[in-house]
Amino acid sequence: AQSVAQPEDQVNVAEGNPLTVKCTYSVSGNPYLFWYVQYPNRGLQFLLKYITGDNLVKGSYGFEAEFNKSQTSFHLKKPSALVSDSALYFCAVRGYQKVTFGTGTKLQVIP
Amino acid sequence: NAGVTQTPKFRVLKTGQSMTLLCAQDMNHEYMYWYRQDPGMGLRLIHYSVGEGTTAKGEVPDGYNVSRLKKQNFLLGLESAAPSQTSVYFCASSLSGPTGEQYFGPGTRLTVT
Repeated sequence: AQSVAQPEDQVNVAEGNPLTVKCTYSVSGNPYLFWYVQYPNRGLQFLLKYITGDNLVKGSYGFEAEFNKSQTSFHLKKPSALVSDSALYFCAVRGYQKVTFGTGTKLQVIP
Repeated sequence: NAGVTQTPKFRVLKTGQSMTLLCAQDMNHEYMYWYRQDPGMGLRLIHYSVGEGTTAKGEVPDGYNVSRLKKQNFLLGLESAAPSQTSVYFCASSLSGPTGEQYFGPGTRLTVT
């Protein structure tokens, strides 16, 4: 069975600083990995995914994620955080016919 | 395109009552999913469907039933509501199954007293 771990419940970063939200995974076979963002009282929105190819994946709103097979990680990054990036972020991994989500990391960008 | 819509947005039930949550998508997606979101637990898959007329169990199916009579609709039923089913319920759809991104509805907040 597949699993996802997001080790940090909350990440605080100052506006303008780079941000990283961590994710590690466990899955049989090739990993298909996703990041989603959830703003308050809204459904999740897709940010980016890794299926195959380049280890650095670029997505929406200036976010990118780095796939590291040896460390089984898929960390979300952004070079310069905005206050509007404050939200709940979910990492997810694909398994057979379904996707498993992590427990989420709350990102707080401080002005 | 409305995307994925959910009805109702809020609902309060008494223990033992039943209800149906409706999910509709206008993107012609084959795959549809029902999740529940609880604090500190992320999203957990209740049931899913890989096409019209098909349904399958997810991680936490007990106490719920689903139907996919039409491709665009996916219904989630609670036969006899329990306080443990107090949660926020999200419906999602995807075009190409697990390798495709999912599109989520706005959620239904359900309270069972």
